[in-house]
Amino acid sequence: GAVVSQHPSRVICKSGTSVKIECRSLDFQATTMFWYRQFPKQSLMLMATSNEGSKATYEQGVEKDKFLINHASLTLSTLTVTSAHPEDSSFYICSAREGFGGLGPHQPQHFGDGTRLSIL
Amino acid sequence: GDSVTQMEGPVTLSEEAFLTINCTYTATGYPSLFWYVQYPGEGLQLLLKATKADDKGSNKGFEATYRKETTSFHLEKGSVQVSDSAVYFCALSGGGSNYKLTFGKGTLLTVNP
Repeated sequence: GAVVSQHPSRVICKSGTSVKIECRSLDFQATTMFWYRQFPKQSLMLMATSNEGSKATYEQGVEKDKFLINHASLTLSTLTVTSAHPEDSSFYICSAREGFGGLGPHQPQHFGDGTRLSIL
Repeated sequence: GDSVTQMEGPVTLSEEAFLTINCTYTATGYPSLFWYVQYPGEGLQLLLKATKADDKGSNKGFEATYRKETTSFHLEKGSVQVSDSAVYFCALSGGGSNYKLTFGKGTLLTVNP
């Protein structure tokens, strides 16, 4: 159980293009989803936290107009990288946290397989 | 704020060797502790977890015990396999950062046949 599907797995596009990444919880309801960015050989950097039906909370230094997050349902969150440039090239990973498990902050996060974004 | 310090790698072992990856933490409140594993080109998979002091998490031969007195959550495996080669992340949640996960920097493990 607790499967998170992230799509696409890899994107290569030209500078200036906007790219949308989807994150779906397949067998559970996720009231909270998280978006991370990972640079080569480094740990994950939290970009934003999205709660179903409300605005995302962005971490300090992350441009909210650049990285648009929508969490329209309990099973889907999307990250759109607007007008992407080469410096946005990275590995983006989403995670989802089950909302009704009763464990509060002790509920584990389940991760998607990541999206490799390459901007030419 | 919350923080996680884990043993820097890379760690290289021969098959069937004993593995320890050290992890210590700083947190307010009563956090839960996790180990995640990341295989090349993939996302993270939950390996094991512990939600309170003295809990032992275990999975696939890996174990870690939540030690509040030493604020540690060291990962161990008695006999590693080539297929265990991956990056291992220690993490906590439920401390001062509420639902967010605070990660260590990750430890690359390579197991040679």
